[in-house]
Amino acid sequence: SQQGEEDPQALSIQEGENATMNCSYKTSINNLQWYRQNSGRGLVHLILIRSNEREKHSGRLRVTLDTSKKSSSLLITASRAADTASYFCATDGNQFYFGTGTSLTVIP
Amino acid sequence: SQTIHQWPATLVQPVGSPLSLECTVEGTSNPNLYWYRQAAGRGLQLLFYSVGIGQISSEVPQNLSASRPQDRQFILSSKKLLLSDSGFYLCACLTGFGNTIYFGEGSWLTVV
Repeated sequence: SQQGEEDPQALSIQEGENATMNCSYKTSINNLQWYRQNSGRGLVHLILIRSNEREKHSGRLRVTLDTSKKSSSLLITASRAADTASYFCATDGNQFYFGTGTSLTVIP
Repeated sequence: SQTIHQWPATLVQPVGSPLSLECTVEGTSNPNLYWYRQAAGRGLQLLFYSVGIGQISSEVPQNLSASRPQDRQFILSSKKLLLSDSGFYLCACLTGFGNTIYFGEGSWLTVV
């Protein structure tokens, strides 16, 4: 991809379980963001973490950032069927590159 | 807050035909604008971005071109479509008030 890679590419879990997705990127960043995409729709912003932050929480979302490893993780706790979607990380700059995404399926 | 309109939402075009996808933004001024393409089940590929009227940067050599005739209008074009141009095209904008980009609902293009 132009900048980042998420893994796993696909993840299937039972409702109530936690889901963890990882993102690796290539260049230095000021911010890293996570987005969600429901099938056939535009992307929706979830959370932004700055390069000087190591962890950030928003509701059931927890994001970590390790700039030394150029990686980030997104944890969704107590997953719900409605969390089924693709999740992307994006690094900032004029270009705003996205990773390849993790397709999450939460089974009711 | 800003709203991004894309049209048409769905398009089926024959190979060799021209293309014009339009994106307009409301609720902000002087945004950075982006065109992304997403192949089925794949990630987003940045095609073009613009920091101002008439300023277009191309990320990947394509059969496509982009133009920004007005501050809040971004157009994606092609003179002759290829089968490989099929995909989901997303317009996005970045305002001067933050670091979050906002997306339109996308345009599905099928080249047949």
